[in-house]
Amino acid sequence: AQRVTQPEKLLSVFKGAPVELKCNYSYSGSPELFWYVQYSRQRLQLLLRHISRESIKGFTADLNKGETSFHLKKPFAQEEDSAMYYCAPSSGNTGKLIFGQGTTLQVKP
Amino acid sequence: GAGVSQSPRYKVAKRGQDVALRCDPISGHVSLFWYQQALGQGPEFLTYFQNEAQLDKSGLPSDRFFAERPEGSVSTLKIQRTQKEDSAVYLCASSLIRAGVKGEQFFGPGTRLTVL
Repeated sequence: AQRVTQPEKLLSVFKGAPVELKCNYSYSGSPELFWYVQYSRQRLQLLLRHISRESIKGFTADLNKGETSFHLKKPFAQEEDSAMYYCAPSSGNTGKLIFGQGTTLQVKP
Repeated sequence: GAGVSQSPRYKVAKRGQDVALRCDPISGHVSLFWYQQALGQGPEFLTYFQNEAQLDKSGLPSDRFFAERPEGSVSTLKIQRTQKEDSAVYLCASSLIRAGVKGEQFFGPGTRLTVL
């Protein structure tokens, strides 16, 4: 069965510290991988996707097929990065997203 | 259009009542998804439409759940004889492109359903 694991429910760091939000997946085939973010009182929105290989708001994510991981990283966290982050592979047939449980990132001043 | 909209934003139902949740996707978006998000969990897929065709309903938890998109635009998720375990936020998302092409999904604000 397809499964996504985000092992940390809460990650708390100080402003300026590096951040790594972990994501491991078990999946057959070649999924497209996404990170979605939900800021306080806002709707869920796309942060970045693997295939575009871009950096959004300073975040990057590297796909490691050997470890089946897609960790999200940022070298210097900002207070405005505080939000809920979801790792989500996309299923091949319809494009439906399989979400992890989410990690709350709290960036303290 | 501003984005995906959903109504009502909040719904309280007594156990056994039927409810209908509406989703207005972004105009021209081919794909429409429904997800259920229980408290403290990530969203879980319910069903998928490509235009008016329901191509995947594998995530619907029981036959009390029914979704439609008759004209390929607005969609309605109906839950019959609601139970307490149906309490959740129901999210709708739309995407410009068709099934199998893994594009960005644009989410609505969700409908929070509470079953008493």
